[in-house]
Amino acid sequence: GAGVSQSPRYKVAKRGQDVALRCDPISGHVSLFWYQQALGQGPEFLTYFQNEAQLDKSGLPSDRFFAERPEGSVSTLKIQRTQQEDSAVYLCASAIKNIQYFGAGTRLSVL
Amino acid sequence: DQQVKQNSPSLSVQEGRISILNCDYTNSMFDYFLWYKKYPAEGPTFLISISSIKDKNEDGRFTVFLNKSAKHLSLHIVPSQPGDSAVYFCAASRMYSGGGADGLTFGKGTHLIIQP
Repeated sequence: GAGVSQSPRYKVAKRGQDVALRCDPISGHVSLFWYQQALGQGPEFLTYFQNEAQLDKSGLPSDRFFAERPEGSVSTLKIQRTQQEDSAVYLCASAIKNIQYFGAGTRLSVL
Repeated sequence: DQQVKQNSPSLSVQEGRISILNCDYTNSMFDYFLWYKKYPAEGPTFLISISSIKDKNEDGRFTVFLNKSAKHLSLHIVPSQPGDSAVYFCAASRMYSGGGADGLTFGKGTHLIIQP
């Protein structure tokens, strides 16, 4: 596809469960970003990759959050031992020339 | 402390008139600014951007103005159309000479409603 693709679109997890969220960026985009968007708020930066290198993970809220992009294309955001406060929409963006293009997001609900 | 602020949670404008959305920032290191539009259940869609070396950028019905001394930018939409009804996010970042950029810092958004 032409755009950023994220899966699943919706995920319901029981508290304490591990989840993995996938992002397929636009082909050829070197930069990839993850954001977390709580209800009624703007997206908040989590982490940034340039190719396979994770250059900035300053926004990850705890060590339960882990992101990888092993081959410089698809990226996975993993959340271990989910908590209710992790409920949010997780957005992925790939970028070229300083413009970030977003996927539709994964809505995570932790019960 | 919010570094990017959109102080109007919502704005209602009549179809055909001008919509003006405002954004203020506090971090003087920001040198690149973007506006995104978001429909429900979709990701933000890029609209228009401006770098700090300019004070205006225009693309069709959309114009962004930047006032660096006031740390203020605005998005003008003219004429407003029903399809413009959406949430608009202002975002800011720092650019690097190699072409990369920081993650974006977003405002909370303004819900624009175009009245027929």
